[in-house]
Amino acid sequence: GAGVSQTPSNKVTEKGKYVELRCDPISGHTALYWYRQSLGQGPEFLIYFQGTGAADDSGLPNDRFFAVRPEGSVSTLKIQRTERGDSAVYLCASSPGGGAYEQYFGPGTRLTVT
Amino acid sequence: KQEVTQIPAALSVPEGENLVLNCSFTDSAIYNLQWFRQDPGKGLTSLLLIQSSQREQTSGRLNASLDKSSGRSTLYIAASQPGDSATYLCAVTGTASKLTFGTGTRLQVTL
Repeated sequence: GAGVSQTPSNKVTEKGKYVELRCDPISGHTALYWYRQSLGQGPEFLIYFQGTGAADDSGLPNDRFFAVRPEGSVSTLKIQRTERGDSAVYLCASSPGGGAYEQYFGPGTRLTVT
Repeated sequence: KQEVTQIPAALSVPEGENLVLNCSFTDSAIYNLQWFRQDPGKGLTSLLLIQSSQREQTSGRLNASLDKSSGRSTLYIAASQPGDSATYLCAVTGTASKLTFGTGTRLQVTL
């Protein structure tokens, strides 16, 4: 079946603009995760959804970052007033549930803030 | 707070050599450990998943071991090939369900 998909694959925006990044998880997966990977680093956790609710948002760096998953499937990561430091690859993963289930990753969205 | 360390940061070996990548983590309360491969500019490819109750997993030329009590894992690659060149990432799933990643080992296999 289809894997995790993310759109767009690349996004270039100007400092101060608003962006939305989309993640389509594997069908039936109740858990969805967002991670951010800066150049030369491992991915860092941002937020975890179980169904429609955010079970853990402790990784969101500040209140400019927000994510939703209104119907328990597709998720959107929203970044307001973008800064150059937000430039990174944003990765989405899904799994059949939380805990010990394997997480399956999408190809990522490369965000560049100029 | 969980911390994951990978050694070495970079490694260059001639084709055909066997090699070992190391991963250590500070909190042994984990559900599982995963090894990923990442090619430049690409996403993550899962290689092996070891549940906390397991000691090792094998897939083809890859073998991963887990010693949860000492907070260590190794990824063994047999008979390395140029196509194995990539960054290898280790990650653990803690009780909060999120993955904590190391910074990776950049592997170059030369002809």
